[in-house]
Amino acid sequence: AQSVAQPEDQVNVAEGNPLTVKCTYSVSGNPYLFWYVQYPNRGLQFLLKYITGDNLVKGSYGFEAEFNKSQTSFHLKKPSALVSDSALYFCAVRDDTGFQKLVFGTGTRLLVSP
Amino acid sequence: EPEVTQTPSHQVTQMGQEVILRCVPISNHLYFYWYRQILGQKVEFLVSFYNNEISEKSEIFDDQFSVERPDGSNFTLKIRSTKLEDSAMYFCASSGTGDLNNSPLHFGNGTRLTVT
Repeated sequence: AQSVAQPEDQVNVAEGNPLTVKCTYSVSGNPYLFWYVQYPNRGLQFLLKYITGDNLVKGSYGFEAEFNKSQTSFHLKKPSALVSDSALYFCAVRDDTGFQKLVFGTGTRLLVSP
Repeated sequence: EPEVTQTPSHQVTQMGQEVILRCVPISNHLYFYWYRQILGQKVEFLVSFYNNEISEKSEIFDDQFSVERPDGSNFTLKIRSTKLEDSAMYFCASSGTGDLNNSPLHFGNGTRLTVT
């Protein structure tokens, strides 16, 4: 069965500093990995995905994520955080053995201080 | 950019009542989903729907739940007899314009269901 772990409930970072939001996964087949962001009272917005290819994936709003197969990780990163990046971030995984169900992590709240 | 739209944004109902949550997926999408998020908790998969039938469902999706695509545009989730623990944010999503494994989910803004 697929699973995702986001070990940090909250990440605090000062504006302009780099940020990392951690995610590890477990799947039985090849992983398809996603990051979504949720702003208050809104649905989840797609940020980026890893399917195959380069381990460093670039997405929306300057975010990127690094796929590490040996560590089964897919950490979200941004070189310079903005206050407007403050939101709830979800990592999700889908494997290639079944249908399209996405399994989400518990979410990490990112707080960027001015 | 096309969006998934959900109505109503907030639904309050009494325990034991039936509710129908409505969604209009993106028009050329083929796969439809319902997820829910209990306040402060993780986003949980409920059901996926393709070609007019359920393709996968979770343990949460018991006999009290049903889904329907009645007219080719709407996608509904019905809860027959609501319980207090059904209170959550319900998200509709759609995907699939071709290569399904490369097609991210597009979510609506959700319906907040409050069961009293």
